[in-house]
Amino acid sequence: GENVEQHPSTLSVQEGDSAVIKCTYSDSASNYFPWYKQELGKRPQLIIDIRSNVGEKKDQRIAVTLNKTAKHFSLHITETQPEDSAVYFCAASRDTNAGKSTFGDGTTLTVKP
Amino acid sequence: NAGVTQTPKFRILKIGQSMTLQCTQDMNHNYMYWYRQDPGMGLKLIYYSVGAGITDKGEVPNGYNVSRSTTEDFPLRLELAAPSQTSVYFCASSYLWIAGEGEQYFGPGTRLTVT
Repeated sequence: GENVEQHPSTLSVQEGDSAVIKCTYSDSASNYFPWYKQELGKRPQLIIDIRSNVGEKKDQRIAVTLNKTAKHFSLHITETQPEDSAVYFCAASRDTNAGKSTFGDGTTLTVKP
Repeated sequence: NAGVTQTPKFRILKIGQSMTLQCTQDMNHNYMYWYRQDPGMGLKLIYYSVGAGITDKGEVPNGYNVSRSTTEDFPLRLELAAPSQTSVYFCASSYLWIAGEGEQYFGPGTRLTVT
């Protein structure tokens, strides 16, 4: 089955700096890669996603890049703000697998004011 | 729309007891999922369903059962609770297009402690 590894497990940055979280996956047939944000005590919520036919996607301060050859994808957050502090999860799935996503173990991002 | 709702929010069980975690969605989503989230860990898929009457196992199904009699409801049953089932349980749903992608909408979670 699919295996997703996420790094780093914790990340601390100064407000205004950039943050990068990386994930690698094992199943070359995976073609959908969402990122979820989970604030303390809350439910996970989708913040951005990318399909395998796209190399990069951007939404305001958030961007995701995908390298299919190397089987890794990354989340980039620019101009970080204290409200970006949360746990971020990457996931991978393929459309022939009933949408089952395999999640990484999460990255706890702390943005210091 | 209420989205995905779960009950109860918290529950303490004694070892060997049974309970059902309720999950309901009002978005007419075909796909529904149950995950558990242990402290400091990611989400592990327990069971999923692609439509009413169809369910299948995920990564960690042992000790759990599910049913899907309607599109809206997807209850998770714990039989003979064990301390290893102490976790936060999330239900999720999604509408998958032919392309196979789809955002998963999560419920607020149920925090279960087995002592």
